[in-house]
Amino acid sequence: GAGVSQSPSNKVTEKGKDVELRCDPISGHTALYWYRQSLGQGLEFLIYFQGNSAPDKSGLPSDRFSAERTGGSVSTLTIQRTQQEDSAVYLCASSLARVSYEQYFGPGTRLTVT
Amino acid sequence: AQSVSQHNHHVILSEAASLELGCNYSYGGTVNLFWYVQYPGQHLQLLLKYFSGDPLVKGIKGFEAEFIKSKFSFNLRKPSVQWSDTAEYFCAVISNAGNMLTFGGGTRLMVKP
Repeated sequence: GAGVSQSPSNKVTEKGKDVELRCDPISGHTALYWYRQSLGQGLEFLIYFQGNSAPDKSGLPSDRFSAERTGGSVSTLTIQRTQQEDSAVYLCASSLARVSYEQYFGPGTRLTVT
Repeated sequence: AQSVSQHNHHVILSEAASLELGCNYSYGGTVNLFWYVQYPGQHLQLLLKYFSGDPLVKGIKGFEAEFIKSKFSFNLRKPSVQWSDTAEYFCAVISNAGNMLTFGGGTRLMVKP
C-alpha cells in the first residue's frame, strides 16, 4: 500500500519567508509525528498528533514553528520568518496507534534557507 | 529525559566481515527499542524492534539485536555484511509513557566490496 508521502521534496526559501510543508500519513494511521534531521542536531522530535487529542508540541524549537492536522489525516508544518538554522530535512512519520509505537517515515522535505 | 548514544559514528568494513554497532540508552522506566536504517537517497526504514519478551530480536536482511537491560544496551549485529548494507543506522527508544522516538546520533557504515 501507499506509504507516508511528503511535499515538496525540496524547498529553497529566502530568510524571513514563511514555508509550509505537507505530510500525508498512511491511511488509517491515527498517530502522526514530525521530526527534523540536521547535520548538527541529528534527528529531533518536533510535534505529535494522536487522533483528536491536543498535540504534543514539546519539541517545537520556537514559536515560529506550528503544525496542524486536519480531519485526522493530512498535516501541515508551518515555519514563519525562516532562519538559516531552520535548514534541515523535515520528516513525517505515522503509526497505526500510539500503543504500537512502530513509526513509518516519509521521504522528507529538504528545506534550504538562503 | 531519555537519551540514546551510539558510540561509533563511522564504521568501514569489508564484505563478509561481522558487524556490531553499539547503542546505549538512559531511561529508568520501561522502553521500546528500535533500529532504523537509511540507505543512500532513501527514507528511514525499520530494521527491527524490541517491545518485550525474548531479548534477542531478529530483523530484516539478517540483522539482529540484543537487549541487555542491565547494561541499558541494544546493540545491532550482523554476522556477514554485504556492500548493500552501506547506509546510516539509527538506534531509537520510546518509553511507554512517551510520545516520540528519541534517536541516537547515527552510525554511518561503509562496506567495501
